[in-house]
Amino acid sequence: AQSVAQPEDQVNVAEGNPLTVKCTYSVSGNPYLFWYVQYPNRGLQFLLKYITGDNLVKGSYGFEAEFNKSQTSFHLKKPSALVSDSALYFCAVRDMNSGGYQKVTFGIGTKLQVIP
Amino acid sequence: DSGVTQTPKHLITATGQRVTLRCSPRSGDLSVYWYQQSLDQGLQFLIQYYNGEERAKGNILERFSAQQFPDLHSELNLSSLELGDSALYFCASSGLGQSSAKNIQYFGAGTRLSVL
Repeated sequence: AQSVAQPEDQVNVAEGNPLTVKCTYSVSGNPYLFWYVQYPNRGLQFLLKYITGDNLVKGSYGFEAEFNKSQTSFHLKKPSALVSDSALYFCAVRDMNSGGYQKVTFGIGTKLQVIP
Repeated sequence: DSGVTQTPKHLITATGQRVTLRCSPRSGDLSVYWYQQSLDQGLQFLIQYYNGEERAKGNILERFSAQQFPDLHSELNLSSLELGDSALYFCASSGLGQSSAKNIQYFGAGTRLSVL
């Protein structure tokens, strides 16, 4: 079975500082990894994904994530946080060997609060 | 705008009642997913349909059922409602084509269900 862990319920960071939102995963095969963001009263929006290739993936709004196979991690990062980045962030994983049925498992979410 | 449409936006009903939530996927997407988001349980995968057929099942209660119609829209039926069913219900869609856009799920804005 596949699973995702987001160890922090909330991350607070000052505006302009770098931010990291942590994610670790578990799958039996090779993973597809995703980050989504949810703003208040909105649905989830795709930020970035890792399928294969470079371990550093760049996504929307200046976010990036680093895939680390040995640590089974996929942490979300941004060099300089903006107040508008405050939202709920979800990490998700799909087992590459799950065929065409795309069952994706989401983490519980991490609330990012950027302080002005 | 994700291209996924969910109706209604809000639904208020009483315990024991039955409701239907509707989802229209992005044009061309064959897969539809339903999720339940509550404060205490995070984002829970309920069920996935692909081109009218059920493909994967998650933590969906027996009181809940779903279907995907020939025009690819989907409905989630919730019956014998309980107070604990109050939550945000999201629909997402995705394609299974060969482009890099595959594997990304596009979420609707959700239906907020309040059971009183």
